[in-house]
Amino acid sequence: KAGVTQTPRYLIKTRGQQVTLSCSPISGHRSVSWYQQTPGQGLQFLFEYFSETQRNKGNFPGRFSGRQFSNSRSEMNVSTLELGDSALYLCASSLEGQVYQPQHFGDGTRLSIL
Amino acid sequence: AQTVTQSQPEMSVQEAETVTLSCTYDTSESDYYLFWYKQPPSRQMILVIRQEAYKQQNATENRFSVNFQKAAKSFSLKISDSQLGDAAMYFCVYRSANAGGTSYGKLTFGQGTILTVHP
Repeated sequence: KAGVTQTPRYLIKTRGQQVTLSCSPISGHRSVSWYQQTPGQGLQFLFEYFSETQRNKGNFPGRFSGRQFSNSRSEMNVSTLELGDSALYLCASSLEGQVYQPQHFGDGTRLSIL
Repeated sequence: AQTVTQSQPEMSVQEAETVTLSCTYDTSESDYYLFWYKQPPSRQMILVIRQEAYKQQNATENRFSVNFQKAAKSFSLKISDSQLGDAAMYFCVYRSANAGGTSYGKLTFGQGTILTVHP
């Protein structure tokens, strides 16, 4: 069974641009969560999607958004990029997002802002 | 809000020896899950072990075991017979067991402990 796939693996952007990251969950998983990992703030929860609906959102500005498609693939978008958005972005999938179901992580997308 | 604290930024151990990583957490909830995840240089976060707060028995997974002290809000990870492949960043993670709302999908991570294994 294929794991969680995130594309692209690396991305370089400049300030003010926007970016879209993609996450394909494990087959059959319907819940996708996104996290931002930085050296200063550590790992922080961005949002969770289930059946194309955002069920939970972390404490991030509105520049960070996401969506989920009917095949459970998810994208996150960051608009008007800032230097502080440089981070490793991880997504994780689980069957239904229930607390007893483990989350499986992808390898992440490393985003660098110049 | 829940917080997770790992007070050891770095730890090292000799191959075949035992090491313990510390974690404390703060929560007002009575039902929750605690996890240890490892993140090797390859970046993929891998689940090591899981503990349900309502279970008094400490979880074990092969060479990995935890010491869960609910009253003290402490959750340490013991790695026995350390191997070179255990070298990674280890995260202590909290998840609320309350269904719905702000609990969906949300894991709360500690700052991590970098474990180095010396041959």
